[in-house]
Amino acid sequence: DQQVKQNSPSLSVQEGRISILNCDYTNSMFDYFLWYKKYPAEGPTFLISISSIKDKNEDGRFTVFLNKSAKHLSLHIVPSQPGDSAVYFCAASAQRSGSRLTFGEGTQLTVNP
Amino acid sequence: NAGVMQNPRHLVRRRGQEARLRCSPMKGHSHVYWYRQLPEEGLKFMVYLQKENIIDESGMPKERFSAEFPKEGPSILRIQQVVRGDSAAYFCASSERLADYNEQFFGPGTRLTVL
Repeated sequence: DQQVKQNSPSLSVQEGRISILNCDYTNSMFDYFLWYKKYPAEGPTFLISISSIKDKNEDGRFTVFLNKSAKHLSLHIVPSQPGDSAVYFCAASAQRSGSRLTFGEGTQLTVNP
Repeated sequence: NAGVMQNPRHLVRRRGQEARLRCSPMKGHSHVYWYRQLPEEGLKFMVYLQKENIIDESGMPKERFSAEFPKEGPSILRIQQVVRGDSAAYFCASSERLADYNEQFFGPGTRLTVL
């Protein structure tokens, strides 16, 4: 039962353009969402998070949007840079289940110079 | 301020042997989580510990796997009698406290290969 899904295994964009990574979830108890970035042979690195009481959170080039009615969130990267090339994981948690994170399968982003 | 430390980074075991993975959380963090990533999959939660206590082990296989986080020293994930299906990357994460949704910070992982 995949409660967090990232339907696009890969995404390729040109440097300077916008990257949009999508994530869907099924568990209505999820109330906190995070995006992690992962390079090969390294652990995931926290990027940005959003609470369910918000619909948008921005940090520099990264913005996360949350649509609770659609159970959908997205990560926008503007402008995209070659160094952004990595696997991006969406994760979710529910307060009632403590801090355990449920991850999506990941999306490989490639930013071409 | 060192991040989450994991060792060894790579571990090779033959079927039937024991694997012992270590995790030292970030300074000041008292919450430790273990996740497993199988090839081509996302990370899957295994266990959540605080000092000397297992809080949530609902993601851990019932047999052969155990975890501890003693008062002194690193957290240990132990896999007894390893099988080929245990081959994966095992990541440890730590956080400062449970409330307010503190972000989890991950270590570099231990890549376990079972021959």
